Amino acid sequence: QKEVEQNSGPLSVPEGAIASLNCTYSDRGSQSFFWYRQYSGKSPELIMFIYSNGDKEDGRFTAQLNKASQYVSLLIRDSQPSDSATYLCAVKAPGSNYQLIWGAGTKLIIKP
Amino acid sequence: DGGITQSPKYLFRKEGQNVTLSCEQNLNHDAMYWYRQDPGQGLRLIYYSQIVNDFQKGDIAEGYSVSREKKESFPLTVTSAQKNPTAFYLCASSSLVGGYNEQFFGPGTRLTVL
Repeated sequence: QKEVEQNSGPLSVPEGAIASLNCTYSDRGSQSFFWYRQYSGKSPELIMFIYSNGDKEDGRFTAQLNKASQYVSLLIRDSQPSDSATYLCAVKAPGSNYQLIWGAGTKLIIKP
Repeated sequence: DGGITQSPKYLFRKEGQNVTLSCEQNLNHDAMYWYRQDPGQGLRLIYYSQIVNDFQKGDIAEGYSVSREKKESFPLTVTSAQKNPTAFYLCASSSLVGGYNEQFFGPGTRLTVL
């Protein structure tokens, strides 16, 4: 069974520090990887996606992909209280045009 | 403004009642999806549609039905056969061009069974 695993948290990080969120996936053939942010009571919002090994940076966010070890990470630099949310990892199922397999999310708390 | 709208925001259902959740998008996306989210869990796919007049069951389709008569619209009906419908329902859409399938979400409908 295809799985995407995330530590549920909460992960508590001081304001201004780097928050590191991790996600592992079971299907070695997975190609595309997505990070979504979900505030309490709201719908998920796409932050970044990555499809090749290495790092992808967008502002304070960096996604890291390691296909050999089957994990994808999201780093948030200079964490702000507004970054406090649940972060969902999603992986595109191999051979599928539509299916994303979702992790249960990691709750991140940024402490002022 | 381009985006996805869902209505209503909150919905209350009595036992044995069918209810329909609306989802509309003006992003010109081909694919649309319905997910269910329960507390502390990931998103679970109910139904998806890649083209008009065609849709497929997801992982938890039992007790739900959909239609796709227009590209912009993908309503979800929660039938009385769904025994535990209280959840947060999310509609999403994506373009199938490019192959990455970034999905974008509407604001959601919170359904409660009375």
